[in-house]
Amino acid sequence: AQTVTQSQPEMSVQEAETVTLSCTYDTSESNYYLFWYKQPPSRQMILVIRQEAYKQQNATENRFSVNFQKAAKSFSLKISDSQLGDTAMYFCAFGAPGAQKLVFGQGTRLTINP
Amino acid sequence: KAGVTQTPRYLIKTRGQQVTLSCSPISGHRSVSWYQQTPGQGLQFLFEYFSETQRNKGNFPGRFSGRQFSNSRSEMNVSTLELGDSALYLCASSLASGLETQYFGPGTRLLVL
Repeated sequence: AQTVTQSQPEMSVQEAETVTLSCTYDTSESNYYLFWYKQPPSRQMILVIRQEAYKQQNATENRFSVNFQKAAKSFSLKISDSQLGDTAMYFCAFGAPGAQKLVFGQGTRLTINP
Repeated sequence: KAGVTQTPRYLIKTRGQQVTLSCSPISGHRSVSWYQQTPGQGLQFLFEYFSETQRNKGNFPGRFSGRQFSNSRSEMNVSTLELGDSALYLCASSLASGLETQYFGPGTRLLVL
């Protein structure tokens, strides 16, 4: 069974700073997908970024980028030029093809301070 | 394109009752997955439906069941409610058979008294 671990329960940074959220996972699958989702106080789960394991290039979406280390089973999220609207719970999730089932980490509560 | 919708948004029930939650996926999406979110257990997978068939099921008791209709809308039912069933229930939809990205609805918050 796959497991996902987020070792930082809470983080806090100042607006405009860069912050990195950590995620490690365990799997015996060779092909899989990794996601970062954001859940603001409204509780709506919003996709931030997605990474396919077969791609060596790290995914980027505007201010969001990942550092995917397949051998180390590590998948960190970097948020550049952080904004107040980035305040949310961030969840790392693992998905294996065909399963249509995401395994989530426990989340990191990120606060961006003005 | 409209997002995933869930109804109702909030529910209060008492122990022993049953409840039905509804999820309408994004137009064109055929897979619907359900998750339970609690402070203690986090996000846990309940089940997934595709073309009216349950393809995958999480580790939940048989009191939790679901179904999917021909228009891809899905319902989830919990019978004989327990206090521990109080949670946010999230529905997510995706296109089809591969691990497409799942897009989530706003959730239904269930409180069992």
